[in-house]
Amino acid sequence: AQSVTQLDSQVPVFEEAPVELRCNYSSSVSVYLFWYVQYPNQGLQLLLKYLSGSTLVKGINGFEAEFNKSQTSFHLRKPSVHISDTAEYFCAVSGLTGGGNKLTFGTGTQLKVEL
Amino acid sequence: KAGVTQTPRYLIKTRGQQVTLSCSPISGHRSVSWYQQTPGQGLQFLFEYFSETQRNKGNFPGRFSGRQFSNSRSEMNVSTLELGDSALYLCASSLPATASYEQYFGPGTRLTVT
Repeated sequence: AQSVTQLDSQVPVFEEAPVELRCNYSSSVSVYLFWYVQYPNQGLQLLLKYLSGSTLVKGINGFEAEFNKSQTSFHLRKPSVHISDTAEYFCAVSGLTGGGNKLTFGTGTQLKVEL
Repeated sequence: KAGVTQTPRYLIKTRGQQVTLSCSPISGHRSVSWYQQTPGQGLQFLFEYFSETQRNKGNFPGRFSGRQFSNSRSEMNVSTLELGDSALYLCASSLPATASYEQYFGPGTRLTVT
């Protein structure tokens, strides 16, 4: 079984400051890792994904994440946030278990960017 | 390309009624998955359809069902609605199972059960 833990339910940060949103996963098989963002009253938008290869993954809107297999982590970072980054961020895992697409999500981290 | 579309966007139903939600995937995508999002339980996988067959199912009661048509459009049905079924229902589509397993989400249907 797979699981995802997002330790921080809320992260307040000032505009132009750096931010890191933490994600840890648990799986007995190889996994694919994703970060999605959800703006109010909208669906989920894919920020970035890790499939294999380089452990540093770059996504949209200046976000990047680093896959760390030994620590089973996939933390999301941005060097300088903007007010428009205020949203909820979800880490998700998908694995090759019995075929099919099934995303297991973390509980989400609300990023609040303040002036 | 047009994104994933879901109809209706908002719905209010009464306990005991049933409801059908619709999802049109991105053109060319043959896999459609459904998720339920609530403040208490977060995002939970309901089921996935591929080529009109249910390929994967989450831990939801039998009141939740779905189907997929030959044009890949999908519907999900909830019978005998309960207050706890109030949620945002999200549909996601993807290409046939590839190494990326990347899913694209629609805006969701907000269901309120009174």
